[in-house]
Amino acid sequence: DVKVTQSSRYLVKRTGEKVFLECVQDMDHENMFWYRQDPGLGLRLIYFSYDVKMKEKGDIPEGYSVSREKKERFSLILESASTNQTSMYLCASSSLDRGQREQYFGPGTRLTVT
Amino acid sequence: QQQVKQSPQSLIVQKGGISIINCAYENTAFDYFPWYQQFPGKGPALLIAIRPDVSEKKEGRFTISFNKSAKQFSLHIMDSQPGDSATYFCAASGLSYNTDKLIFGTGTRLQVFP
Repeated sequence: DVKVTQSSRYLVKRTGEKVFLECVQDMDHENMFWYRQDPGLGLRLIYFSYDVKMKEKGDIPEGYSVSREKKERFSLILESASTNQTSMYLCASSSLDRGQREQYFGPGTRLTVT
Repeated sequence: QQQVKQSPQSLIVQKGGISIINCAYENTAFDYFPWYQQFPGKGPALLIAIRPDVSEKKEGRFTISFNKSAKQFSLHIMDSQPGDSATYFCAASGLSYNTDKLIFGTGTRLQVFP
């Protein structure tokens, strides 16, 4: 089974702190994604990566950056956390091998910025 | 043109009833339409998906109906069970950068009462 793990389930940070959210997948997937989930807004794509060291902006990249130094690991960075970044953050991975389109999600990190 | 509109926001159904969730899209380049199911405290997981060359796909009690000319698709849950209580997201995507970028709807919270 595909497993996507996220470093923390719950995180509380102060305004202005630098925050790192880590995601690891064990299926050798080339694609990885970071979403944030807010009530009434669904899942919105922050950044995605289709290869090591490659990254592309999603729909809401402002205030975030990402890093992908190894194929299995994709990090989301909040350079200076703000209260409007309080949210649920979901990581996902996928591979287009054999025509697959499914994205596999981690359990999420609920981040609170105070 | 990138939006996916989902309704209703919430749905209450009695056990044994039919649950219907609707989605509409604008971008005619989309070629993959999945539905994800999310239980509390978990990440979303793929439930069922359809491509635009068919009008219906059924897996057990779950059916996707697809209307290409109207740019609409819907999820039908037959004989709804309390265990189906979850949040459901429709999504749509088309390939770019060799990656599948999913555009999600805003979600429907389904509650099935015994």
